[in-house]
Amino acid sequence: AQSVTQPDIHITVSEGASLELRCNYSYGATPYLFWYVQSPGQGLQLLLKYFSGDTLVQGIKGFEAEFKRSQSSFNLRKPSVHWSDAAEYFCAVGARYGGSQGNLIFGKGTKLSVKP
Amino acid sequence: DGGITQSPKYLFRKEGQNVTLSCEQNLNHDAMYWYRQDPGQGLRLIYYSQIVNDFQKGDIAEGYSVSREKKESFPLTVTSAQKNPTAFYLCASSIGTARNSPLHFGNGTRLTVT
Repeated sequence: AQSVTQPDIHITVSEGASLELRCNYSYGATPYLFWYVQSPGQGLQLLLKYFSGDTLVQGIKGFEAEFKRSQSSFNLRKPSVHWSDAAEYFCAVGARYGGSQGNLIFGKGTKLSVKP
Repeated sequence: DGGITQSPKYLFRKEGQNVTLSCEQNLNHDAMYWYRQDPGQGLRLIYYSQIVNDFQKGDIAEGYSVSREKKESFPLTVTSAQKNPTAFYLCASSIGTARNSPLHFGNGTRLTVT
């Protein structure tokens, strides 16, 4: 079955520190992978996506993610976190059309807190 | 600017009343979606629509209904049959329903039923 796991429910980092949010997926074919960010009380915004090619993808707001097929992972990274990065982050995998989960399957999210 | 508009931002209703949440998009996207978000549960799909006058149930469709009479609009009705309707509701759209089609989200409606 297709699924996405974000092992960390909540992470706290200090401002200026590096960040890595973990995402593992289960999908039988070549995955299409996405990271979204949600500020409190807002909708989700697309940070970056991976379809094929270079396994290191760059996104908005200084984020990047690396696709590792052997580990079924698509971890999100940022070298230096800013207080404005505090939000909830969702990883998603593109699913086959027609399923009851729609065309994207989301993980349950990781909430990021940033210490001054 | 193109985008998705959800209204209202906050909605309060008494138990037993139906309530309709609005979602309008001017992105010219074919597909539209409704998600429900509860703390710690991520996003759960309620309904989605690929084209006008067609829609499919998501994982948690019970107690909800939708219509898609216009490409731009995909209203969600939360009926009195929905046992726990208090939640944050997100509307989204995408160019198509292929698995490489990113979703674009509105800013949500928070529904509180007492």
